[in-house]
Amino acid sequence: KAGVTQTPRYLIKTRGQQVTLSCSPISGHRSVSWYQQTPGQGLQFLFEYFSETQRNKGNFPGRFSGRQFSNSRSEMNVSTLELGDSALYLCASSSLAGHYNEQFFGPGTRLTVL
Amino acid sequence: GDSVTQMEGPVTLSEEACLTINCTYTATGYPSLFWYVQYPGEGLQLLLKATKADDKGSNKGFEATYRKETTSFHLEKGSVQVSDSAVYFCALSGLNNNAGNMLTFGGGTRLMVKP
Repeated sequence: KAGVTQTPRYLIKTRGQQVTLSCSPISGHRSVSWYQQTPGQGLQFLFEYFSETQRNKGNFPGRFSGRQFSNSRSEMNVSTLELGDSALYLCASSSLAGHYNEQFFGPGTRLTVL
Repeated sequence: GDSVTQMEGPVTLSEEACLTINCTYTATGYPSLFWYVQYPGEGLQLLLKATKADDKGSNKGFEATYRKETTSFHLEKGSVQVSDSAVYFCALSGLNNNAGNMLTFGGGTRLMVKP
């Protein structure tokens, strides 16, 4: 079974631009979560989608948004990029609802904002 | 809100030494607890988990026991190998998350094992 895939793996943007990251979950998984990883703030939850509905949202500004398609693939968008948005963005998928479920992580997209 | 605190690294050990990485948490009720590992340039991999008090999670020689009385989930291994060098994250998934899969992570502990 293929794992979680994220595209692109690396991205360089300039301040003020916007960016879209993509995540394809493991086949059959309906939950997709996004996390931001930075050296200063560590791993922080962005949002989770389940069956095309946002179920949870972390404490990030409205510039960060996401969506999920009927095939469970998910995208996240960051508008008006700031230098502080430079980070590794990780996507994770899970087969079921519930706090006890394992999440499977992709390799991440490393975003650099210049 | 939920939070996880784990010991800061780096932790440097010689091969075959014993490892303990401390992790404590704050959460409502009985969250599920996880240890994830991140190797250089990669995403996170689940190492082990425990979903209720007194459960012991184990995998690849690593163990952690869910201690409700001390709100802890310390990671242990009796004999580390060079290949265990990585960053280890303690995490919890609580009950106040709309039945979702939101993880709250600790800050991570870098382990370096020398031959």
